[in-house]
Amino acid sequence: DTEVTQTPKHLVMGMTNKKSLKCEQHMGHRAMYWYKQKAKKPPELMFVYSYEKLSINESVPSRFSPECPNSSLLNLHLHALQPEDSALYLCASSQVEDRGDGYTFGSGTRLTVV
Amino acid sequence: QKEVEQDPGPLSVPEGAIVSLNCTYSNSAFQYFMWYRQYSRKGPELLMYTYSSGNKEDGRFTAQVDKSSKYISLFIRDSQPSDSATYLCAINSGYALNFGKGTSLLVTP
Repeated sequence: DTEVTQTPKHLVMGMTNKKSLKCEQHMGHRAMYWYKQKAKKPPELMFVYSYEKLSINESVPSRFSPECPNSSLLNLHLHALQPEDSALYLCASSQVEDRGDGYTFGSGTRLTVV
Repeated sequence: QKEVEQDPGPLSVPEGAIVSLNCTYSNSAFQYFMWYRQYSRKGPELLMYTYSSGNKEDGRFTAQVDKSSKYISLFIRDSQPSDSATYLCAINSGYALNFGKGTSLLVTP
């Protein structure tokens, strides 16, 4: 299995809702990432998990809450989002944190906040 | 100065042309250089990666890194309409990827 699977593919949520994005990989990768991508922009790093511990938080607002229940799963919990948070949310994984040869991205969750 | 600079294009070429995509970067400590292809509404797909300087070839794709001038390139030979996508250069900053803006490529039949 060489894939990163993200669910759901599309999500529409109101500003008062609570929802979660899920990411799963079975490649034995020990680093997992959340990126946010706005239209016609490159992906921007949000969080890095290394060996199931949060190692990097790129000053992301607290309405985004990551969780890594085990080495294969990564969640992003969403609460009280704003319309400007609408974007493609990408999960990625790599063998370890400081290499560049094995970043695999999922297809993303396209989030719309109304 | 942004760490990775990439001309966003768009770039339009006829089928069969050789395409040259380029990025510059600022930090000479960077070691891992990647090119990703992203189709509309999809996640980025790793095309090529290179460690340090040199060339790497895979089929119609060639990646080049010139660390002395901090310049990375992707060449696509015999371009196909299916190559139409956004191409993102990326550099590993030590804990995650720094992406260029991406170059939008259109290959016309």
